[in-house]
Amino acid sequence: DAGVIQSPRHEVTEMGQEVTLRCKPISGHNSLFWYRQTMMRGLELLIYFNNNVPIDDSGMPEDRFSAKMPNASFSTLKIQPSEPRDSAVYFCASSLTGTGREKLFFGSGTQLSVL
Amino acid sequence: AQSVTQPDIHITVSEGASLELRCNYSYGATPYLFWYVQSPGQGLQLLLKYFSGDTLVQGIKGFEAEFKRSQSSFNLRKPSVHWSDAAEYFCAVYGNKLVFGAGTILRVKS
Repeated sequence: DAGVIQSPRHEVTEMGQEVTLRCKPISGHNSLFWYRQTMMRGLELLIYFNNNVPIDDSGMPEDRFSAKMPNASFSTLKIQPSEPRDSAVYFCASSLTGTGREKLFFGSGTQLSVL
Repeated sequence: AQSVTQPDIHITVSEGASLELRCNYSYGATPYLFWYVQSPGQGLQLLLKYFSGDTLVQGIKGFEAEFKRSQSSFNLRKPSVHWSDAAEYFCAVYGNKLVFGAGTILRVKS
């Protein structure tokens, strides 16, 4: 298996632009997680899906952030409009059942820079 | 709510020396505990986990961790560090959600 695949690896954009991050989880995994990593705040859970349904989005910072999972093999995290403080590494992870007690498989992340 | 503290931001050890990375958690019941490792430019990889049973758990790459309920700790150890172990290490606790510590950056000097 290729693992969790994220694209793009790097994204540089200007403030106010829309940014879309993409994730393909491991085939057969039922749960998908979006994390954000910054020096100041560490690794934060933004949202997670179970069977394509958003279960907990309490970590989504504000309405500018939205996430979708239209099917079991694809998810997007969108920021509109983007701001410099959104600069971070965004990770997608998947797991078999999403109980939170099991192993998470992480993608390599998307490094987002908002100028 | 659960929380996890990794007191050391940076640790430097010599290659071949032993290693201990500290992790303290807060949770009302017995939590599920994890150690993940992150190499530069990569996502996190699970090293080991503790759910119940034997308090000393073995993981990949020669790592082990010991759960001590009385100290609310789950420290990660390795008897002999290799240069390839240089990375950032995250302790995580699951109570009702998975929470990661701030991480400890390990530097290995030759």
